[in-house]
Amino acid sequence: QKEVEQNSGPLSVPEGAIASLNCTYSDRGSQSFFWYRQYSGKSPELIMFIYSNGDKEDGRFTAQLNKASQYVSLLIRDSQPSDSATYLCAVMNRDDKIIFGKGTRLHILP
Amino acid sequence: DGGITQSPKYLFRKEGQNVTLSCEQNLNHDAMYWYRQDPGQGLRLIYYSQIVNDFQKGDIAEGYSVSREKKESFPLTVTSAQKNPTAFYLCATNSQFNQPQHFGDGTRLSIL
Repeated sequence: QKEVEQNSGPLSVPEGAIASLNCTYSDRGSQSFFWYRQYSGKSPELIMFIYSNGDKEDGRFTAQLNKASQYVSLLIRDSQPSDSATYLCAVMNRDDKIIFGKGTRLHILP
Repeated sequence: DGGITQSPKYLFRKEGQNVTLSCEQNLNHDAMYWYRQDPGQGLRLIYYSQIVNDFQKGDIAEGYSVSREKKESFPLTVTSAQKNPTAFYLCATNSQFNQPQHFGDGTRLSIL
């Protein structure tokens, strides 16, 4: 079974601090990696995607990929209360199927 | 206004009834997907279609059916064979298989 694992949380982070969300995946042949934000009762919204090893930055968000360790992370700098949500990691495996993790609940403390 | 439109937003099913969830897109995307999300769970793939008049089963296709007669439309029917249909149903599209998927607003289905 090709899996994507995330800590379910909740992860509590003070406002203004850096939130670090982690995801591991089992299929070493995975090619594409996505982070989605999902507010309660709403549909997922794409935050970041990354295809190559290293870091990719977009505003307050940084995605980090390490294919050797089969690990992808999302950093949120200067965390805001509006960042409180569930963050879903999604991985496209070698069969071109996207597998979603169960998500990490993030709570930003005012 | 470009996007993915799912309707209805809320749907109730009676015992033994089939219900159809609508998904329409004007993004000109080739691929469309249906997912089911249960509370505290990730997304599970029901069906997907990469081209008109063709679709494939996902991981949990039993009790569901789809059609893809037009590029813009990918309706999902929840049949009476699906014994536990209560969930949040999400439609997604992407332009190519390795591109990010974008989601509609979802349909919440409950049993009466």
